[in-house]
Amino acid sequence: AQKITQTQPGMFVQEKEAVTLDCTYDTSDPSYGLFWYKQPSSGEMIFLIYQGSYDQQNATEGRYSLNFQKARKSANLVISASQLGDSAMYFCAMREGMDSSYKLIFGSGTRLLVRP
Amino acid sequence: EAGVVQSPRYKIIEKKQPVAFWCNPISGHNTLYWYLQNLGQGPELLIRYENEEAVDDSQLPKDRFSAERLKGVDSTLKIQPAELGDSAVYLCASSLVNTDTQYFGPGTRLTVL
Repeated sequence: AQKITQTQPGMFVQEKEAVTLDCTYDTSDPSYGLFWYKQPSSGEMIFLIYQGSYDQQNATEGRYSLNFQKARKSANLVISASQLGDSAMYFCAMREGMDSSYKLIFGSGTRLLVRP
Repeated sequence: EAGVVQSPRYKIIEKKQPVAFWCNPISGHNTLYWYLQNLGQGPELLIRYENEEAVDDSQLPKDRFSAERLKGVDSTLKIQPAELGDSAVYLCASSLVNTDTQYFGPGTRLTVL
């Protein structure tokens, strides 16, 4: 079974509007971390935001917020006020275990295109 | 602060030829990772180093792939001989410790003809 599922291969959003990128995960470990990375056409994976499984509040970083719904095992990324520079691939990733684990498991990604 | 540096950015070789990729992690990061990213997919871990020790190389195809991290800083990933199926992006990442956020370099895009 896939550990990380991103069901949207591609998304369009109008500039200045908000967009939600979906991510669901599967783990039986009570301790885990969820990450979102952005990969523009240049190829570099850029860290955006992190949510720990025990964090009480949803993570926010500037225009990025993570809508963490633990019972539904979802960790959707919300980008507010989209900009043309947000056009890129977006990957959701999970790290199981918090104390000794390191391995990131990535989803297949969502390609976001911001329209002017 | 400089990010993770990788070179070359692009490499085109013929099958059966050797190829090497180089990575310089963020200063002070003792954990270094090599990932393979096939087209349309997320990255998959090949090998992880803590300082100069390869602590997890279970996903590295050891018949043709090798890696080293001399002095616990820079790392080199080698393929010999390359096959057509090795065409992909090879990403290097580093983190302060093995449980910290991983920061990625720009990757090396390998094309094997």
